Amino acid sequence: GQNIDQPTEMTATEGAIVQINCTYQTSGFNGLFWYQQHAGEAPTFLSYNVLDGLEEKGRFSSFLSRSKGYSYLLLKELQMKDSASYLCAVRDYGQNFVFGPGTRLSVLP
Amino acid sequence: ETGVTQSPTHLIKTRGQQVTLRCSSQSGHNTVSWYQQALGQGPQFIFQYYREEENGRGNFPPRFSGLQFPNYSSELNVNALELDDSALYLCASSQDGQGQQDTQYFGPGTRLTVL
Repeated sequence: GQNIDQPTEMTATEGAIVQINCTYQTSGFNGLFWYQQHAGEAPTFLSYNVLDGLEEKGRFSSFLSRSKGYSYLLLKELQMKDSASYLCAVRDYGQNFVFGPGTRLSVLP
Repeated sequence: ETGVTQSPTHLIKTRGQQVTLRCSSQSGHNTVSWYQQALGQGPQFIFQYYREEENGRGNFPPRFSGLQFPNYSSELNVNALELDDSALYLCASSQDGQGQQDTQYFGPGTRLTVL
C-alpha cells in the first residue's frame, strides 16, 4: 500500500527554525518532493531528494533517509509569508506521485 | 515560457450532471497528471497522460475519464457528478524520462462545487 504521514499542524515564531517531518511507505521510490501550498492556491515546488542526505536551497533544506523511509523539511529564519501547507510527495515509479495530507504551518509574530 | 493553465477557475454543477475541465501543459512538457484535492487534504492522484495515452490511474471510478491532445493539453471529464466530487482539481505537467530531477508543475486549479 501507499502511505505518507505528516503532522497535521505546526506553529512557530517569526525568525525561528521549524522542522516538518514526513514518513513514507510506498511500493517504489523514485524521488521525494516537498511542495508549498498557500490557501486557495496551487502547490509550488520547493525541493527534491533522491539520494540520502541534505539538500539546501536558501532558507529551506530537505533531508532524506531512504532506509528509514523518512524525510524532513527545515525552514530557517521564518517569515510570516511562510504560513502555508507543506506537502510531502513520493514519486513511487515512473512519474506517479503520492502526496501526504500536508502540514499546515502557522508563523506567529 | 508559459506555465500550466487551467479553465475554468470555478464551476458550479448539480448532482448527476457532467463536467469537463481543461489544462494546458507547460511549454516543453509532454506528461499531464490530474489530482483531486478536498479541503484540508493532500492531492489525490486521478490519472496521468503521456503522449496521448493513459499512463497510470489512481483509485477513482470509471466516470472519471480523460484525454490528452497532440499539443499535450488535456481534459478531465467527470460523469454523473456526486456531492463528494466537490473539490479543487489540479493539473500538473512534467517532462518524462529526462532525468530524475524532473518535477511536476501545477496549474492554479479548478474549484468544482456540486450542489
